[in-house]
Amino acid sequence: DTGVSQNPRHKITKRGQNVTFRCDPISEHNRLYWYRQTLGQGPEFLTYFQNEAQLEKSRLLSDRFSAERPKGSFSTLEIQRTEQGDSAMYLCASSLWVGGTGGLNYNEQFFGPGTRLTVL
Amino acid sequence: GEDVEQSLFLSVREGDSSVINCTYTDSSSTYLYWYKQEPGAGLQLLTYIFSNMDMKQDQRLTVLLNKKDKHLSLRIADTQTGDSAIYFCAEIRSSASKIIFGSGTRLSIRP
Repeated sequence: DTGVSQNPRHKITKRGQNVTFRCDPISEHNRLYWYRQTLGQGPEFLTYFQNEAQLEKSRLLSDRFSAERPKGSFSTLEIQRTEQGDSAMYLCASSLWVGGTGGLNYNEQFFGPGTRLTVL
Repeated sequence: GEDVEQSLFLSVREGDSSVINCTYTDSSSTYLYWYKQEPGAGLQLLTYIFSNMDMKQDQRLTVLLNKKDKHLSLRIADTQTGDSAIYFCAEIRSSASKIIFGSGTRLSIRP
């Protein structure tokens, strides 16, 4: 399977614990995105990387959240001191960004199946 | 603003056409997307339209864009049971990389 993969698919944890999710993008893709989706809502952007550089972070990404992409391939998203409000589906996506004038570049993002986090 | 709005539910009879509507607020949107999400599956890009187009057709799917009114619609012809899913309208601006999603429209099919 050459699509975006995420592990684990499900995570149940107790409030106050730390959790870490992993995303493996499509191999030649240089951009990697994290989104969060709560029940009944569309995905909300959290952060994205171009290669190993983290280029944008949403205000949704509190200090308890940290994302890394150390070698420009897979990425991890860690949540420290989890709260019940962190319960959601965490989606990863990747894309191949080839640049272009004015950023008018069709930049299809391919999504993984997500990691469903439940904080008790 | 970054709001994308769509109705929450749509029910259609099998074989009829489905029309899902969406409004957005950001006039600098460059691409507008329709994503499909089925239970247990990831988001799947169904189709997209560039902001300088007003229509795009792809087999059973027709996308209409009214840029003046910031209105986007997705028409699914001959709706089948396999079309049951949540459909998300989404946009992206040329100056940004993040996709802004609506809340999704749940399409259910009646026999």
